Amino acid sequence: KQEVTQIPAALSVPEGENLVLNCSFTDSAIYNLQWFRQDPGKGLTSLLLIQSSQREQTSGRLNASLDKSSGRSTLYIAASQPGDSATYLCAVRPLMPNTGNQFYFGTGTSLTVIP
Amino acid sequence: DGGITQSPKYLFRKEGQNVTLSCEQNLNHDAMYWYRQDPGQGLRLIYYSQIVNDFQKGDIAEGYSVSREKKESFPLTVTSAQKNPTAFYLCASSISAGGRSYEQYFGPGTRLTVT
Repeated sequence: KQEVTQIPAALSVPEGENLVLNCSFTDSAIYNLQWFRQDPGKGLTSLLLIQSSQREQTSGRLNASLDKSSGRSTLYIAASQPGDSATYLCAVRPLMPNTGNQFYFGTGTSLTVIP
Repeated sequence: DGGITQSPKYLFRKEGQNVTLSCEQNLNHDAMYWYRQDPGQGLRLIYYSQIVNDFQKGDIAEGYSVSREKKESFPLTVTSAQKNPTAFYLCASSISAGGRSYEQYFGPGTRLTVT
């Protein structure tokens, strides 16, 4: 079964700093990987979706990379702002799902950007 | 505006009572999902449906039931058989082309407390 790990569980950085969030997964046979943002008590907001054939995706100050062979993805946030404070989750969809197209989620990294 | 709505936002029930959580989407998505989120754990799949009148169990379906009578709606019933029902419940949807699903979109969630 696919296992997804996000380290660190929590991260605090000063405003303006560039930062990298990490996501690792145990089975490299994935269909795609999705990064989400979750604010306290809220649902998940999709940030970026990377297909297995892609190496990276960019949206504004966010850049997500994917290295399937090593089972890793990173989310790069440039020039962090206090509004970026949230929990960031990654999720992978296996290439051959045994329960039908579900994503497997990591437990997230809680980011605090200090003004 | 297109999106996913979940109601209510907060729900309180006494132990032994069944309760139904609502999930509606107007994105014209075929696939819909129910996840459960507990503190310190990743999202876990309860049930999913790829087409009307069809649904499949996820990893933690025991004590839950669903129906999919309409494309837009995927209600989740938490029965008295669910041993630890207090949690944050998230509904999601995605397109499902050729049996494969794509980017998932989430609703705002329902926080269920059972005492």
